[in-house]
Amino acid sequence: SAVISQKPSRDICQRGTSLTIQCQVDSQVTMMFWYRQQPGQSLTLIATANQGSEATYESGFVIDKFPISRPNLTFSTLTVSNMSPEDSSIYLCSVGYRETQYFGPGTRLLVL
Amino acid sequence: SQQGEEDPQALSIQEGENATMNCSYKTSINNLQWYRQNSGRGLVHLILIRSNEREKHSGRLRVTLDTSKKSSSLLITASRAADTASYFCATVPTNFGNEKLTFGTGTRLTIIP
Repeated sequence: SAVISQKPSRDICQRGTSLTIQCQVDSQVTMMFWYRQQPGQSLTLIATANQGSEATYESGFVIDKFPISRPNLTFSTLTVSNMSPEDSSIYLCSVGYRETQYFGPGTRLLVL
Repeated sequence: SQQGEEDPQALSIQEGENATMNCSYKTSINNLQWYRQNSGRGLVHLILIRSNEREKHSGRLRVTLDTSKKSSSLLITASRAADTASYFCATVPTNFGNEKLTFGTGTRLTIIP
């Protein structure tokens, strides 16, 4: 199993600003994932973050809006850039482990 | 876009009753998984069923899979107040690595004490 922490747990931001979310894992993992969960909705995969290479983005998500870093096997960041109220969501990171995924507690973002 | 639909979208039952949630998906899968989410927090993995399996049990959970109908069901027996949460099915397609999940729309379960 893996224990995952995220920072911050929640934030309120002004439109036009950027927020960087950190994801820390207690063990080395190959694949990390970033998801967005809009209010009352299911999870949508933003991108897969592999260490040592650029993140792979899903349709509808672009690097300029959601830049991702993966400097080592235990850490990743997701930045939500130039935010608008439509970016208000819960952002979750997860790691793949034996066909399943372990999730962080999420970052609840409100953009005003 | 979501891989599948879940129904019902919301379910309220009395404590002690059984709860059944259904999931339908669209493409061929390697496996199907169920996750629970409490109050907008992180998801917790509940159970995984592979495409060559038809039924699986884990404690009070029973999962079935019908690949011919592209559907799955999650049964929670003898429900408890602590089971109140949102439940999501998630699929791993056959044409991708075994770690990429696509989530269904979710069922919001409320257990009434």
